[in-house]
Amino acid sequence: KNEVEQSPQNLTAQEGEFITINCSYSVGISALHWLQQHPGGGIVSLFMLSSGKKKHGRLIATINIQEKHSSLHITASHPRDSAVYICAPWGVRDDKIIFGKGTRLHILP
Amino acid sequence: EAQVTQNPRYLITVTGKKLTVTCSQNMNHEYMSWYRQDPGLGLRQIYYSMNVEVTDKGDVPEGYKVSRKEKRNFPLILESPSPNQTSLYFCASSPARGLHEQYFGPGTRLTVT
Repeated sequence: KNEVEQSPQNLTAQEGEFITINCSYSVGISALHWLQQHPGGGIVSLFMLSSGKKKHGRLIATINIQEKHSSLHITASHPRDSAVYICAPWGVRDDKIIFGKGTRLHILP
Repeated sequence: EAQVTQNPRYLITVTGKKLTVTCSQNMNHEYMSWYRQDPGLGLRQIYYSMNVEVTDKGDVPEGYKVSRKEKRNFPLILESPSPNQTSLYFCASSPARGLHEQYFGPGTRLTVT
């Protein structure tokens, strides 16, 4: 059983659409990261959150610790948002990080 | 410029020939970590370090060694590489564990024949 489940695995949408990527986890966590992996392979950290909601530009991340669920939203999606988005919780009992398998997003112009 | 560097970026080697992938950060970060990424399996943590001389195993440490003699450097050592270690490797650092952004290196694509 995977400790981290992301959905959907793949998502194709039209430019301008509102995008939601979901992440559910089964372990207790201290924080959760959302990462973006570009087609070229580079990885950047989008958000780190332990409660509530954060917003950077068109990206919004939310987390519900009690329900063990986090979501990443993209408003007014653009082709440059095409990437793999990875959810990565930090375990509360140890210093390890675990990763979801990622959501591959393709935004069509 | 704040960055994490990895070398080499690409490496093709043969089974059993010891190799080291270097990782260096210039942000005075305490936490450093190595990950491998494989199709269908995603990213998995190999080893991590909370600070100098403090290292610990991640989820897939078999076949790897690390050392943290200086704060800025965290090399990954494959003493006897095998084909199942063919993968894309990432080093990352952060000020501390958990509640801090991680900064990733550009990745090292390793092929073991």
